[in-house]
Amino acid sequence: DGGITQSPKYLFRKEGQNVTLSCEQNLNHDAMYWYRQDPGQGLRLIYYSQIVNDFQKGDIAEGYSVSREKKESFPLTVTSAQKNPTAFYLCASSIVHGAGANVLTFGAGSRLTVL
Amino acid sequence: GENVEQHPSTLSVQEGDSAVIKCTYSDSASNYFPWYKQELGKGPQLIIDIRSNVGEKKDQRIAVTLNKTAKHFSLHITETQPEDSAVYFCAASGAGSQGNLIFGKGTKLSVKP
Repeated sequence: DGGITQSPKYLFRKEGQNVTLSCEQNLNHDAMYWYRQDPGQGLRLIYYSQIVNDFQKGDIAEGYSVSREKKESFPLTVTSAQKNPTAFYLCASSIVHGAGANVLTFGAGSRLTVL
Repeated sequence: GENVEQHPSTLSVQEGDSAVIKCTYSDSASNYFPWYKQELGKGPQLIIDIRSNVGEKKDQRIAVTLNKTAKHFSLHITETQPEDSAVYFCAASGAGSQGNLIFGKGTKLSVKP
């Protein structure tokens, strides 16, 4: 079955450590996205990538980094510069990126807790 | 940029009743309005969407209406069932947001048997 796989599902990190969240899709989608979800805050865009080897900052990119070396993969690194990293992180993809064409398919999410 | 407001934040209904969730958006250039349902511990799933050239769209028990003049759109769920209990998000996108979806803050719907 086609879909998006995020791992790990749960992750604990000590302050000052970088962590990388994995996102893999087998939908042959060009565009991929990372969102952060906090209680009562909805979904906020961290980074997105329209095509391999290209990515753009979203609304809350500070303290995060991404890469898009393969079409199927879009890992997110939460760096020690992120002041409040505890959150639920969602990866998504769409066939293409563009106004009116963004039907997103989401993964099941990764919950990061900083101890 | 685009801003999406969603109300109410929580909604409790009896099984069989209807539920309505409302959203407003700020950017008149927005032209795509999806609704997502998120069950506990899962990622959101698209349940219905509407484009700006359409005023209403139905899919079985769910419907979405769009008023472009007033810049608001609503989700209607009829004959609610316990499995409709979830968090629902509205979103908007268009040229003004570079095609990115801007989400509302969500509505937690509880359907009591």
